[in-house]
Amino acid sequence: NAGVMQNPRHLVRRRGQEARLRCSPMKGHSHVYWYRQLPEEGLKFMVYLQKENIIDESGMPKERFSAEFPKEGPSILRIQQVVRGDSAAYFCASSPDTIANTGELFFGEGSRLTVL
Amino acid sequence: DQQVKQNSPSLSVQEGRISILNCDYTNSMFDYFLWYKKYPAEGPTFLISISSIKDKNEDGRFTVFLNKSAKHLSLHIVPSQPGDSAVYFCAAGTYKYIFGTGTRLKVLA
Repeated sequence: NAGVMQNPRHLVRRRGQEARLRCSPMKGHSHVYWYRQLPEEGLKFMVYLQKENIIDESGMPKERFSAEFPKEGPSILRIQQVVRGDSAAYFCASSPDTIANTGELFFGEGSRLTVL
Repeated sequence: DQQVKQNSPSLSVQEGRISILNCDYTNSMFDYFLWYKKYPAEGPTFLISISSIKDKNEDGRFTVFLNKSAKHLSLHIVPSQPGDSAVYFCAAGTYKYIFGTGTRLKVLA
């Protein structure tokens, strides 16, 4: 009965390093969404994935950011050559279907990235 | 270009009274409208939603109203309780939800 699991909860990286954030959706959910929340701002959509497919990545920065949701294992958001502006909370959400009765997304606790 | 706006960054309400949180949107093609509650250092928690074919949805103390002609969404909490103090986000979309910037609600005991 686990919810959406994200790890690590906190990640510290120096400029130029790589950050990898993982998300395991709720059991039975095949749709994963990544959102980013900068300090004092709302959640910004980044990418929507289904198993092995990127459906919509219109919110992803064009460079350094990538996401995947392999057939086996968690979804991974990868940020290469991190910069201070990447410091944010990254939230993952999942849903069982795009046409759910309530339209609800189930969110994880988030991964807070700090770039020194 | 912000498609979903929450113009009030904060709201204070006395315990037992009604809290009304507002949200405006620009895209008439949105299918679903959702409200989430968020505590610091936690993920957003779903509260209530409404589809574009309805104008009201109620769940206990929470009621969401949708005015499609005005492209306006509101959340009513009655009666407000101190535990309701949190940041409330509205979101709108179809599969990709656009979130507002949030309203910080403080319910005073």
